[in-house]
Amino acid sequence: QVQLQESGPGLVKPSGTLSLTCAVSGGSISSTNWWTWVRQPPGKGLEWIGEIYHSGSTNYNPSLESRVTISVDKSDNQFSLKLNSVTAADTAVYYCARSSGSYTGGVDYWGQGTLVTVSS
Amino acid sequence: DIVMTQTPLSSPVTLGQPASISCRSSQSLVSGDGNTYLSWHQQRPGQPPRLLIYKISNRFSGVPDRFSGSGAGTDFTLKISRVEAEDVGVYYCTQATQLPYTFGQGTKLEIK
Repeated sequence: QVQLQESGPGLVKPSGTLSLTCAVSGGSISSTNWWTWVRQPPGKGLEWIGEIYHSGSTNYNPSLESRVTISVDKSDNQFSLKLNSVTAADTAVYYCARSSGSYTGGVDYWGQGTLVTVSS
Repeated sequence: DIVMTQTPLSSPVTLGQPASISCRSSQSLVSGDGNTYLSWHQQRPGQPPRLLIYKISNRFSGVPDRFSGSGAGTDFTLKISRVEAEDVGVYYCTQATQLPYTFGQGTKLEIK
């Protein structure tokens, strides 16, 4: 069974860049899946940020697209999220996840999530 | 963007009784390949979400058969036949038919 684990700084200064990495185990990042980021502000609902295929093809939420970059590292079986020009509104639990394309459609496995706080 | 609207937003249920959550999409979720990519996820308190149901009515691996999904087009329902204490949490519907993928606001299931 695939497992995903987020890592990265838990505190980012306003106007800075949020950087997270998701390590994938129990499966290859080069499989026919999309690798996804979703976030959840404290006490609120889920927001899809974007996804990447192992080829490097990406899809982003238009609401964040100007500030987001998702990349993949096949050699280390991981993928990453960068969100620049952050504000307090970007404070959230960030989840990495797997989306299995046409098999289930959308996310089927989730990481545990990591809280990122934007504050000076 | 496709807007997903869930009702109710809060559902107090007696243990052992059924529960039902509705989800309506602002557009049809039938994809060009003929599939309808509507899923349900459960988020227990302090936990990440977990996939329960995919493509309207398919239970994911390890999901108890008291959970079932139904619907078509723009109207979908998640049913729990007999609520257990471990079912407490927030339930989200989500669509993966059209980018950007979107989630409902969530329905909080609590025990009376």
